[in-house]
Amino acid sequence: DIQTTQSPSSLSAAVGDRVTITCRASQDIAKSVHWYQQKPGKAPKLLIYATSNLQTGVPPRFSGDGSETDFTLTISSLQPEDIATYYCQEYDNINLFSFGPGTKVDIK
Amino acid sequence: EVHLEQSGAEVKKSGESLTISCQATGSNFRTSWIGWVRQMPGKGLEWMGSIFPFDSDTRYNPSFRGRVTVSADLSTNTTSLRWSSLRASDTAIYYCVRRRGYPSYFFDHWGQGTQVTVSS
Repeated sequence: DIQTTQSPSSLSAAVGDRVTITCRASQDIAKSVHWYQQKPGKAPKLLIYATSNLQTGVPPRFSGDGSETDFTLTISSLQPEDIATYYCQEYDNINLFSFGPGTKVDIK
Repeated sequence: EVHLEQSGAEVKKSGESLTISCQATGSNFRTSWIGWVRQMPGKGLEWMGSIFPFDSDTRYNPSFRGRVTVSADLSTNTTSLRWSSLRASDTAIYYCVRRRGYPSYFFDHWGQGTQVTVSS
């Protein structure tokens, strides 16, 4: 079965800190991953697609990188409005869509 | 601008049937894959299934196949998610989503979510 993992499961950082979340795809056929942000009580929204492409309207402090099975989401300077849970997602044409378990980001 | 408007919250009992819906505006509904994502209380996101309304081609997550039915109505640009017999474990928020991308697909638009509460 496809199994997407993320680390850490939660983190606490100060405003202005650089924050990095890691996603491991289950197999290198993933080729790319996508990232979503879910603020408390809200629907998720697409943040980054195809590993490194910012969705329209997403601030440039967010960036994505990676290849094969290892991918990262970075917030270059954490802001109070970035408090959310972040999910990565991969796709393969057998098992279709798989989300990581999420990383909860808080302000210290 | 694409907008996915979902039906309202539901409170049901175990064993009852339920259909929730999602109406798409501002997009080419016929040729957009529309799917459903479950979020159980305090948990993560799980893709359930998707449909291509033009020809009703449907794909399911094996974990949900046989438990739910995804359908589409071209006349109203609406996608539906149906249970024939609910369980308490179906209590969750359900989001409809539009698929985009190639060859690795993602969900670029999300509905506001429908809360389903099932009591035993």
